[in-house]
Amino acid sequence: EADIYQTPRYLVIGTGKKITLECSQTMGHDKMYWYQQDPGMELHLIHYSYGVNSTEKGDLSSESTVSRIRTEHFPLTLESARPSHTSQYLCASSNPGTAYNEQFFGPGTRLTVL
Amino acid sequence: GENVEQHPSTLSVQEGDSAVIKCTYSDSASNYFPWYKQELGKGPQLIIDIRSNVGEKKDQRIAVTLNKTAKHFSLHITETQPEDSAVYFCAATNQAGTALIFGKGTTLSVSS
Repeated sequence: EADIYQTPRYLVIGTGKKITLECSQTMGHDKMYWYQQDPGMELHLIHYSYGVNSTEKGDLSSESTVSRIRTEHFPLTLESARPSHTSQYLCASSNPGTAYNEQFFGPGTRLTVL
Repeated sequence: GENVEQHPSTLSVQEGDSAVIKCTYSDSASNYFPWYKQELGKGPQLIIDIRSNVGEKKDQRIAVTLNKTAKHFSLHITETQPEDSAVYFCAATNQAGTALIFGKGTTLSVSS
């Protein structure tokens, strides 16, 4: 089982609040990702990082931001949560030292914005 | 743009039957094709993958086949069990090889 963790697992919060979803991995992977998973279960890449101080936007536009100050930590922040942000957020990591992009996923954070 | 299509979106089988999920990809440069299983309340877990230089790979009751010419790959589960019930995702590397493009998922239900 992969050593990648997400907290909180569930979060219910009011509109306008600032929130940070935590993601950490102990595998020493350089690449990390954030996906948004909609009720239809489709996975959308919203952010990724090649390593420390590297952040890139994914295919799906998102109002969230990310930071990568340490290899093992890749938090996602929403400055002002809205009901449209309600979703499942999945963090993943991979080792670019391998020839292929095998990704390991965390358990996810289910966010509900009232 | 790069795209992975997955069918069917839902699949119901009886315990002991086989299940087949099919995916097609658009980018001929894709060279890695993993399959993930996602159980309720959990993140996706890699169950099997195949590289572009291989046509078929098997691991106990699951197998994956790849047809590079037709740009499609399939997941085969034999002797299905209730614990196989989950959402299954296929994926393919993007053109740059820097990310995975996921299919929309198949909800598999195995009834006993």
